[in-house]
Amino acid sequence: EAGVTQFPSHSVIEKGQTVTLRCDPISGHDNLYWYRRVMGKEIKFLLHFVKESKQDESGMPNNRFLAERTGGTYSTLKVQPAELEDSGVYFCASSQGGRSYNEQFFGPGTRLTVL
Amino acid sequence: DQQVKQNSPSLSVQEGRISILNCDYTNSMFDYFLWYKKYPAEGPTFLISISSIKDKNEDGRFTVFLNKSAKHLSLHIVPSQPGDSAVYFCAARAGYSTLTFGKGTMLLVSP
Repeated sequence: EAGVTQFPSHSVIEKGQTVTLRCDPISGHDNLYWYRRVMGKEIKFLLHFVKESKQDESGMPNNRFLAERTGGTYSTLKVQPAELEDSGVYFCASSQGGRSYNEQFFGPGTRLTVL
Repeated sequence: DQQVKQNSPSLSVQEGRISILNCDYTNSMFDYFLWYKKYPAEGPTFLISISSIKDKNEDGRFTVFLNKSAKHLSLHIVPSQPGDSAVYFCAARAGYSTLTFGKGTMLLVSP
């Protein structure tokens, strides 16, 4: 079974540009999460989808970040316009549905560098 | 304010010895704790977890201890192996909330 995949693995853009990150969760997983790790810091929660609905977006830093999950399958995270402090590794994770302590499976991350 | 703290950025241990990774938390609502292991260029992978109703959970070479009164948990790896070298993240959740992670501890196990 394929794991969580993320594209691209690396992205280098200039301040003010737009970048879109993609996450494909494990097939059948209703829950999809986005996290970010700034170098040397903790992995911080950004938002949580249940199918196509945003369950919790309390971690989104500001309105320059837009996440979508049309059709409840893959998700995109767009940063527009990108700022220097947006640099970091963006992880996506997915888990099965239901209200239980379901294990979250993480993707390899997208390393974003904003110059 | 960090709710999950891993105060040791790194730890070096010799192969065959015990590795002890520590984690402290401040939120008394946390009732489930997890350890994730992360290799370079990979995402974190789940290692072991413990519910707040327990004080110990063991899985092979890995044991997690929870001291609720001290708001402290630790991960013991015995015996340590070079393949255990990775960054270890402590994470916690309150009910069905999302995960709150620490900054991670880089473990280096030397042959």
